[in-house]
Amino acid sequence: DSGVTQTPKHLITATGQRVTLRCSPRSGDLSVYWYQQSLDQGLQFLIQYYNGEERAKGNILERFSAQQFPDLHSELNLSSLELGDSALYFCASSFPRGGHGANVLTFGAGSRLTVL
Amino acid sequence: SQQGEEDPQALSIQEGENATMNCSYKTSINNLQWYRQNSGRGLVHLILIRSNEREKHSGRLRVTLDTSKKSSSLLITASRAADTASYFCATEQVTFGTGTRLTIIP
Repeated sequence: DSGVTQTPKHLITATGQRVTLRCSPRSGDLSVYWYQQSLDQGLQFLIQYYNGEERAKGNILERFSAQQFPDLHSELNLSSLELGDSALYFCASSFPRGGHGANVLTFGAGSRLTVL
Repeated sequence: SQQGEEDPQALSIQEGENATMNCSYKTSINNLQWYRQNSGRGLVHLILIRSNEREKHSGRLRVTLDTSKKSSSLLITASRAADTASYFCATEQVTFGTGTRLTIIP
């Protein structure tokens, strides 16, 4: 158990639907990152939050949105789902260190989304 | 982009042999990390090397960093079946490439 909790583990839904993926970061971590991994692909960075504020944005589609709540958990909302959105969605957390510090990420087990 | 790119894309070796994979990046960095991903699982942090370090060891792992060539390598010595996984590098922007898929043949 990495300490990062993602729910649900598996989700099957239909095209056009909307889903919400949830992530609880490791205790003490302030940053949350979301990644998408399609079959046999690398990890596509979607978005990062730090202490409730959006910190960095990657290739996140307009149909997708995220937020980090005061208790630091985060949700990734995926709407108007398409077949191509089927993927593993990973959340990771870190305790960011300023200056030349490193953001070592702790990953959750992922949420596997299947869009039929 | 500070995304690291791993090479080769895939590598198969016999158990007991050493495995070497490489990472290249485009901009100056303060540190570089290597992660492992077992199939369908989340990534696990392996090792971090800072820009003022040239080599770092952790168990059977050896990482080198050449900032002049903007490249890093990960060496796994005396490979085991359990090392079968995908390996990713990441700079401090923690964006990832497509990884090196390592298969250890028993």
